[in-house]
Amino acid sequence: KQEVTQIPAALSVPEGENLVLNCSFTDSAIYNLQWFRQDPGKGLTSLLLIQSSQREQTSGRLNASLDKSSGRSTLYIAASQPGDSATYLCAPREYGNKLVFGAGTILRVKS
Amino acid sequence: DAGVIQSPRHEVTEMGQEVTLRCKPISGHDYLFWYRQTMMRGLELLIYFNNNVPIDDSGMPEDRFSAKMPNASFSTLKIQPSEPRDSAVYFCASSLDRALSYEQYFGPGTRLTVT
Repeated sequence: KQEVTQIPAALSVPEGENLVLNCSFTDSAIYNLQWFRQDPGKGLTSLLLIQSSQREQTSGRLNASLDKSSGRSTLYIAASQPGDSATYLCAPREYGNKLVFGAGTILRVKS
Repeated sequence: DAGVIQSPRHEVTEMGQEVTLRCKPISGHDYLFWYRQTMMRGLELLIYFNNNVPIDDSGMPEDRFSAKMPNASFSTLKIQPSEPRDSAVYFCASSLDRALSYEQYFGPGTRLTVT
């Protein structure tokens, strides 16, 4: 059974810092991996999707990497802003179009 | 596009009552998913459909839960009878099989409270 772990569980940083969120998964037989953000009381917003054949994917200040063989993905946020404060979730997609979610990293960016 | 639409946004009901949650996926999407989110268990997939057909319902917790998708633009998740431990946020998501991407888009969720 796929298990997804996200580290750290919570992170508080001053505005402007670059930061890295980590995601590890136990079963490397995945098709792709999605990163989401969730604001309090809201739904999930898709940030990036990395195919299993890709190593990186970039969108603006966000960069996600994937090392499928070692079961790891990272989300890099450059020049963090208070508006980046949210919970970040990673979800590898396994057979049958099923996403398995980690518990998330709660990020707070202080102004 | 309006995105995934869910109703109601909030539902408060008494134990034993029937609850029906509704979802309208993004037009043209051929996959629809129901998830449940709780503090204790995080986000869990309950069931998903492909072209209106249920594919995997292994996440449905009990027979009290049922889901239908009568057409490509509408799905329901029903709980009968409801129990306090069903209190959670229920999300609907949809995706399209485009170049094997299957990127999932989530609705705003329904916050269910069973007293």
